[in-house]
Amino acid sequence: DAKTTQPPSMDCAEGRAANLPCNHSTISGNEYVYWYRQIHSQGPQYIIHGLKNNETNEMASLIITEDRKSSTLILPHATLRDTAVYYCTFFSGTYKYIFGTGTRLKVLA
Amino acid sequence: DTEVTQTPKHLVMGMTNKKSLKCEQHMGHRAMYWYKQKAKKPPELMFVYSYEKLSINESVPSRFSPECPNSSLLNLHLHALQPEDSALYLCASSPPPSGGGDTQYFGPGTRLTVL
Repeated sequence: DAKTTQPPSMDCAEGRAANLPCNHSTISGNEYVYWYRQIHSQGPQYIIHGLKNNETNEMASLIITEDRKSSTLILPHATLRDTAVYYCTFFSGTYKYIFGTGTRLKVLA
Repeated sequence: DTEVTQTPKHLVMGMTNKKSLKCEQHMGHRAMYWYKQKAKKPPELMFVYSYEKLSINESVPSRFSPECPNSSLLNLHLHALQPEDSALYLCASSPPPSGGGDTQYFGPGTRLTVL
């Protein structure tokens, strides 16, 4: 079964970079990696996505390994408001996101 | 308008009640989704509508009945639910996936409690 694997929790000091890893070894060649985050009891929020190349936007950077079996989401300067559960996902077939169990990131003051 | 709205925000119902959850988007998206999320778990896909037609039903019990009256609106009708159905129900929308996937926009969810 297609799935993603993420560490269950991480801490990061405020102002430092948060690096969140994800393993997606079963991803197919044309499936994008997506990252979402969910702040307590709200709906998931889109962060970034990529296929092969590294990507950057105003929220984060995404580094995808050359074999595409893993990726890392980087929040360059974490703030307290970045405390959330971060999900690495990808499509498995049409319309079906595969959500892993996510990483609970706590940013510490 | 880049928002998905859901009503109500909270719902408490008895096991014999009939209620409905509503989801709306005005982004012109043609795919809409219902997810169920239990505490400290990831969202689980329930239903997908594409161009107002049901595309995916993830073996959801018939006490949950989805409806897509038009391209902007998605309903989830609830009847004879069980206490274990208590969860956060999330709606999302996206353009139809182009090859390897597409960005989904999620609503804030409806917190459902079944007594």
